[in-house]
Amino acid sequence: GAVVSQHPSWVICKSGTSVKIECRSLDFQATTMFWYRQFPKQSLMLMATSNEGSKATYEQGVEKDKFLINHASLTLSTLTVTSAHPEDSSFYICSARVTANNEQFFGPGTRLTVL
Amino acid sequence: DAKTTQPPSMDCAEGRAANLPCNHSTISGNEYVYWYRQIHSQGPQYIIHGLKNNETNEMASLIITEDRKSSTLILPHATLRDTAVYYCIVRVRNTGNQFYFGTGTSLTVIP
Repeated sequence: GAVVSQHPSWVICKSGTSVKIECRSLDFQATTMFWYRQFPKQSLMLMATSNEGSKATYEQGVEKDKFLINHASLTLSTLTVTSAHPEDSSFYICSARVTANNEQFFGPGTRLTVL
Repeated sequence: DAKTTQPPSMDCAEGRAANLPCNHSTISGNEYVYWYRQIHSQGPQYIIHGLKNNETNEMASLIITEDRKSSTLILPHATLRDTAVYYCIVRVRNTGNQFYFGTGTSLTVIP
């Protein structure tokens, strides 16, 4: 199957700083990518849909000014957590939709810890 | 919103078949049943999907009832590596829509 990577795999930062997480489709083009967040012992919660060349669509309750999404190319979407706080500590997972056939593949996730 | 219900947890003896049920009583005619699993601290891994016929691949079998209101994922010979959270999701295929995850079933394979 197609491969989706995320970078970094884990990050620790101080409260108030911003953190950027990358999601890449390695062997296919992805017009659309999705960002999820998962707290311990909970399910994945969809945060936003990232569309190449246009603004992201955020789920209800997700602050667009806090979670900045940029999808500048057909293989890369970035999620920036601005002014991170301890409550933003979570496991962030992206998925990418194959433009050619609409199948989706998930990345390995990024664990964010805000001190 | 998630449209499936699954038992929160199950145990299975190593080497035995693991049968994971899922109820999706409000499934629409064009919605597929997808199964993913998530091993601790990893991204979800695709297992199998189906519309109305039973499906089998190298990982598992999917049995869908005739009325399509429920399904069962079968891992024929569970191993310790199959310990994970299993998610059953209904979704219209080939629309590019996002997945909405329910709470899933935490499967523990016991030696």
